[in-house]
Amino acid sequence: QQQVKQSPQSLIVQKGGISIINCAYENTAFDYFPWYQQFPGKGPALLIAIRPDVSEKKEGRFTISFNKSAKQFSLHIMDSQPGDSATYFCAAGGTSYDKVIFGPGTSLSVIP
Amino acid sequence: DTGVSQDPRHKITKRGQNVTFRCDPISEHNRLYWYRQTLGQGPEFLTYFQNEAQLEKSRLLSDRFSAERPKGSFSTLEIQRTEQGDSAMYLCASSLEGSGTEAFFGQGTRLTVV
Repeated sequence: QQQVKQSPQSLIVQKGGISIINCAYENTAFDYFPWYQQFPGKGPALLIAIRPDVSEKKEGRFTISFNKSAKQFSLHIMDSQPGDSATYFCAAGGTSYDKVIFGPGTSLSVIP
Repeated sequence: DTGVSQDPRHKITKRGQNVTFRCDPISEHNRLYWYRQTLGQGPEFLTYFQNEAQLEKSRLLSDRFSAERPKGSFSTLEIQRTEQGDSAMYLCASSLEGSGTEAFFGQGTRLTVV
């Protein structure tokens, strides 16, 4: 059973454009939603995270939007750069859920 | 201490051999997780420790897999009688209890079983 769904599987965006990745979860026990960025051959790096008491969180060019009633959240990358080309994973976890469950990932390519 | 450290980074082994991986978490973190990641997939949870106690094991963790965290510091993951299907990246992460599972990952150990 896939507890965290993610789309699209791959995404190509032009430099300066907006990259949008969407995720949905099923378990209402989740109360922590991180996004991880992974480059080839490296471990996932925590990028930004949100808790359900807010609907949006912004850090630099990265914004998470959260819709608790729909059980959906998304990552927006503004002014996308070639250096942002990586695989992005949404995940879910929380205080009453002792581990982080990952989505299947989105491979982002930002072309000049 | 700048992060989670894993050793070795790469391991090639023959089918049927035993392998052991080591993870050193961020020093103040009392939770330690092991995940497995195959090509093109997200990391899959294997097991986690709180201090020295192993609190949960995924059904992905067959009897050939064993993990330990003596004294609540570093952890080892051993795979006995390796199979080609064990080829994957094995990732370790650590977090502070009560942090909402804000987990930080190491670089991983890439296992290739030939």
